[in-house]
Amino acid sequence: DAGVIQSPRHEVTEMGQEVTLRCKPISGHNSLFWYRQTMMRGLELLIYFNNNVPIDDSGMPEDRFSAKMPNASFSTLKIQPSEPRDSAVYFCASSLMDYTIYFGEGSWLTVV
Amino acid sequence: GEDVEQSLFLSVREGDSSVINCTYTDSSSTYLYWYKQEPGAGLQLLTYIFSNMDMKQDQRLTVLLNKKDKHLSLRIADTQTGDSAIYFCAEVYNQGGKLIFGQGTELSVKP
Repeated sequence: DAGVIQSPRHEVTEMGQEVTLRCKPISGHNSLFWYRQTMMRGLELLIYFNNNVPIDDSGMPEDRFSAKMPNASFSTLKIQPSEPRDSAVYFCASSLMDYTIYFGEGSWLTVV
Repeated sequence: GEDVEQSLFLSVREGDSSVINCTYTDSSSTYLYWYKQEPGAGLQLLTYIFSNMDMKQDQRLTVLLNKKDKHLSLRIADTQTGDSAIYFCAEVYNQGGKLIFGQGTELSVKP
């Protein structure tokens, strides 16, 4: 079975540019999570969806960040405009009701 | 509030057992997890334990849960150099599927 698929794996962009990260959850999973990992703050939950509906977005840093889940097999995390402090690894994860949560390989973002 | 604490580093010799410890705060957590992260990679779900269990064994991995003390541990038997990685403990917060992670324990295995 395919795991959680994220793209791009690596992105380098200039400050002020829009960044879009994509995620395809495991087929049949009904919850999707976006996490950010930095050296300073560790792993932080940004937002999670259940049945395509955002349940908790309290971790979204500011209005520059937005996330959508238009259907059960696709989600995006957008940063506009991007700033150097957004440089991090962004993980998407998905789960079914049994709470076994599986992570993708991450999108490594560098904003210069 | 929710909080998960781990020691940051552990160094062992190949063939020894490793024990990674974790404390958590949310007594209502239904599941507790151990994830492994190798350099440049994502988080691999190693094992998890349901809160009504005291112990779970899976090959070289043993998870112990002390609910009274809110203490979770991961024991790796016969540790190999390939086990070198960062290990994260996590709890499900408020039964809402939100995972709260510890800071991670970097395990270094010396030959």
